[in-house]
Amino acid sequence: AQSVTQLGSHVSVSEGALVLLRCNYSSSVPPYLFWYVQYPNQGLQLLLKYTSAATLVKGINGFEAEFKKSETSFHLTKPSAHMSDAAEYFCAVSERTNDYKLSFGAGTTVTVRA
Amino acid sequence: DTEVTQTPKHLVMGMTNKKSLKCEQHMGHRAMYWYKQKAKKPPELMFVYSYEKLSINESVPSRFSPECPNSSLLNLHLHALQPEDSALYLCASSQGAGPVDEQYFGPGTRLTVT
Repeated sequence: AQSVTQLGSHVSVSEGALVLLRCNYSSSVPPYLFWYVQYPNQGLQLLLKYTSAATLVKGINGFEAEFKKSETSFHLTKPSAHMSDAAEYFCAVSERTNDYKLSFGAGTTVTVRA
Repeated sequence: DTEVTQTPKHLVMGMTNKKSLKCEQHMGHRAMYWYKQKAKKPPELMFVYSYEKLSINESVPSRFSPECPNSSLLNLHLHALQPEDSALYLCASSQGAGPVDEQYFGPGTRLTVT
């Protein structure tokens, strides 16, 4: 089964600083990878996805992620944090069963300090 | 319209009650999903409907009964729930149930079982 591991359950950054959220995957075949964000009391929203085209993927709200096969990683970054980036972030991999389903990592909570 | 709506927003029910959660989308999506999310945890997949047929059941107890009356609607019927079933129930939809189909999530129904 495919899975993802998010390193660090909580990340605290200053406003304007780099945001780096780590995600490593385990897969014997090329994976399809996603980053989702969940704001308090809301559902999840897709930030970006990797579908084996470009290794550097740009998403919404200034986020991007780089697929590195040699490191089995798909880390999420944003150059300059904003207060509105405070949320829960989930890395996910698409797993084949009868149909495809998403397997989520444990999540990383981001807090932004003024 | 890229919205998935869920009703009710909040639900409190006793262990002997019967209630239903409702999910609706008008994006023409052919796959719909139910997830359960406990606090500070990632969403756990419960059911997947693809073209109005149940394609994935993640060994969910029979006290949860899904129904897909048409391609726009998804219901989750609840009966004889336990307090540990208290959680946020998220509905999602996607164009299809393929590996790179983006899932659009609703805001969820917060369920409390007393």
